[in-house]
Amino acid sequence: QSALTQPASVSGSPGQSITISCTGTSSDIGSYNTVSWYQQHPGKAPQLIIYEVNKRPSGVSNRFSGSKSGNTASLTISGLQAEDEADYYCCSYAGYSTPYVFGTGAKVTVL
Amino acid sequence: QLQLQESGPGLVKSSETLSLTCTVSGGSISRSTNFWGWLRQPPGKGLEWIGSIHYSGSTSYKSSLQSRVTISVDTSKNQFSLELRSVTAADTAVYYCASLPLSNCVDIWGKGTTVTVSS
Repeated sequence: QSALTQPASVSGSPGQSITISCTGTSSDIGSYNTVSWYQQHPGKAPQLIIYEVNKRPSGVSNRFSGSKSGNTASLTISGLQAEDEADYYCCSYAGYSTPYVFGTGAKVTVL
Repeated sequence: QLQLQESGPGLVKSSETLSLTCTVSGGSISRSTNFWGWLRQPPGKGLEWIGSIHYSGSTSYKSSLQSRVTISVDTSKNQFSLELRSVTAADTAVYYCASLPLSNCVDIWGKGTTVTVSS
């Protein structure tokens, strides 16, 4: 099972919106509505910010939103803030034999 | 609030066995709708799922690591453990234990523990 493909870096100015893509295959993203997104600051553990494509855990800002079309999932950060500068990873359930596949990671820079 | 905490040696010699334990608090490890997993992140690289276990003992492992990995569960201690045999420098990473709801990716992560493989 190959890793999901994300852009290496995405940048934006404060207040802008950015979108991070996560491209998989018909065996993972295309087959299951169980895409999650994680935010990871340097030296810290990842934190769940989106699950099941577009659901936000309690306490996560509504500036984060998720969507999916075909084999590609997307994370949109609106009203970009300095604190959003971090690495972002997607993950998809991929079935019984290899249940979980992660994205390559995208570094978000706030200009 | 469910919390997970990794414990184990931070330094392992090449060719030996890496052993880590994850202690689950704030909830039971015996919940039927949950798997418990180990993941890792080599320095400067992305996240990699290693394997998962259900409290019943059912396991699944990443195919490329399957020959070297064993994950076990101790419900009496609310813990699960990782053994990775014949380690090399490529196994140097931050190791995370995590909660994985059924058919879903990680919802809760441990803080992570750094393991360095020395020659």
